[in-house]
Amino acid sequence: AQSVAQPEDQVNVAEGNPLTVKCTYSVSGNPYLFWYVQYPNRGLQFLLKYITGDNLVKGSYGFEAEFNKSQTSFHLKKPSALVSDSALYFCAVYRRGGGSQGNLIFGKGTKLSVKP
Amino acid sequence: DTAVSQTPKYLVTQMGNDKSIKCEQNLGHDTMYWYKQDSKKFLKIMFSYNNKELIINETVPNRFSPKSPDKAHLNLHINSLELGDSAVYFCASSQTGGETDTQYFGPGTRLTVL
Repeated sequence: AQSVAQPEDQVNVAEGNPLTVKCTYSVSGNPYLFWYVQYPNRGLQFLLKYITGDNLVKGSYGFEAEFNKSQTSFHLKKPSALVSDSALYFCAVYRRGGGSQGNLIFGKGTKLSVKP
Repeated sequence: DTAVSQTPKYLVTQMGNDKSIKCEQNLGHDTMYWYKQDSKKFLKIMFSYNNKELIINETVPNRFSPKSPDKAHLNLHINSLELGDSAVYFCASSQTGGETDTQYFGPGTRLTVL
């Protein structure tokens, strides 16, 4: 069964410092991995995805993620955190269904808190 | 110009009632989904439709019935509401193609069953 794990319930970072939100995955075959962000009382917004190719994926709002096959990880990173980055972050893996259909399997989410 | 929209945004109702949530996407996508986010923020797929056909039906009580009148709309009807149905329900859409597809989410409908 395909799954993702986000080992941290919460990550606290000072504004201006680099941030990392961790995600590890368990899949059979090549993983298709995603990061989404959920601001308070809002829907999920797509940040970035890894399908194939370069292990460093760049996404929206200055975020990037590094795919590491040997460690089965897909950590989300940003060089300099902003207070406005404070939100709930979800890692997800694409579960293939019949034909080309599938759905996302989400981690439990990590709350990022960036303090001024 | 909202890509994926849901109505209503909030829904408060009594146990035993029947209610519907509507979802519309203007992205031209051919696949739509319903996800449930529980009180601990855990997200789980409920249903997906491709071109009006049911593709995914996870272990969801048959009190939940999705309906897709066309590929731009996916509604969720819930019969005999229970306290445990209280959650945020998210609609999403994607375009099938290539090896995977990015899903775009609506703002969510917060359902509270009293």
